[in-house]
Amino acid sequence: GQQLNQSPQSMFIQEGEDVSMNCTSSSIFNTWLWYKQDPGEGPVLLIALYKAGELTSNGRLTAQFGITRKDSFLNISASIPSDVGIYFCAGRRSNDYKLSFGAGTTVTVRA
Amino acid sequence: EPEVTQTPSHQVTQMGQEVILRCVPISNHLYFYWYRQILGQKVEFLVSFYNNEISEKSEIFDDQFSVERPDGSNFTLKIRSTKLEDSAMYFCASNRNYNEQFFGPGTRLTVL
Repeated sequence: GQQLNQSPQSMFIQEGEDVSMNCTSSSIFNTWLWYKQDPGEGPVLLIALYKAGELTSNGRLTAQFGITRKDSFLNISASIPSDVGIYFCAGRRSNDYKLSFGAGTTVTVRA
Repeated sequence: EPEVTQTPSHQVTQMGQEVILRCVPISNHLYFYWYRQILGQKVEFLVSFYNNEISEKSEIFDDQFSVERPDGSNFTLKIRSTKLEDSAMYFCASNRNYNEQFFGPGTRLTVL
């Protein structure tokens, strides 16, 4: 499958801080998705992006579809304890059905 | 809100045994998928299914694997002869169009 490079791999943050993570790919994607996964559960869709340059918010979450179509970032503002989890980026190329996933960013929030 | 459901939540089997993992996709969805996640690793695509046939599969999805939509609601993944390395979380996903995919809670498969 396609290689998505997601960074950082993990982060420890103080409650109330902002969080940023990103994904880059060598391939062009038509769709970027951001998921959150809690331990032992399935990925839950947070934000979907469909157009280059698109900036979309969902509450304290903001994500952008890079203009090159090869990258995306996710910001979490004013983090709270329930933001703990693993965040995955996923992309879909134009002729694919499948999603390719990044390796995940593990977020731990210190109260 | 409609959800993808999966059964069982945990399956333990002996190496060489057949297992069937079951999924009920969201009711008006047309595209169905299986992914797996080995412990601590990223989610990997196995197969997609549309219009009663496989539309795409990965190199992981070899002859040991098969999928079926036996009726209007269920979508199954069968592993004919399980190997130790098949131990993983298996996720079913579905969507109505090409874009957002909604995942089920997963089945943890343990092969002994």
